[in-house]
Amino acid sequence: DAKTTQPPSMDCAEGRAANLPCNHSTISGNEYVYWYRQIHSQGPQYIIHGLKNNETNEMASLIITEDRKSSTLILPHATLRDTAVYYCIVRSPQGAQKLVFGQGTRLTINP
Amino acid sequence: DAGVIQSPRHEVTEMGQEVTLRCKPISGHNSLFWYRQTMMRGLELLIYFNNNVPIDDSGMPEDRFSAKMPNASFSTLKIQPSEPRDSAVYFCASSSLNRDYEAFFGQGTRLTVV
Repeated sequence: DAKTTQPPSMDCAEGRAANLPCNHSTISGNEYVYWYRQIHSQGPQYIIHGLKNNETNEMASLIITEDRKSSTLILPHATLRDTAVYYCIVRSPQGAQKLVFGQGTRLTINP
Repeated sequence: DAGVIQSPRHEVTEMGQEVTLRCKPISGHNSLFWYRQTMMRGLELLIYFNNNVPIDDSGMPEDRFSAKMPNASFSTLKIQPSEPRDSAVYFCASSSLNRDYEAFFGQGTRLTVV
């Protein structure tokens, strides 16, 4: 699996957009970018994934650069409940490929 | 569906004892994963199964750890003998092969070995 680099921590004000960056410069052509988050004391939760086009769902938006070497997860209107560790993962979609978690970004939403 | 169910939620045991962690994946899911989480090492994948068959156990730390999946609705992770350094939160997750981008995690088992 390609490795990812994320800032260890970030802060964001409640109600503002939270933009979480991820570098994956060694990503290969068939590897997707996945985002998960882990709220304190809970298991990780899937947020969104994408290959090269920008994606949006009810939780977040994912912006992937044209060269696919980096991406940004956007939480458009952060709430206190979005405080969590956010993990960016790259992997191939074929078969039951494993999810390998890095250290992630600890996002704190401040009132 | 109740989601991925793990038991027990908490386990405290003495060093040298056998520990068995249990997992019931979501019905219909084909893949099952066991993870361990500590402050020092983060989330580590221990082993995963596809259609009840172990695919990759390279993350299993040593022979004291073993995992089985006798059927599609049940898996165990066993540590024998347990050691204090095994203290961690152990997560089980499952996913469906046709939606394998989304793995669902259980609430975890917090293991303390004293």
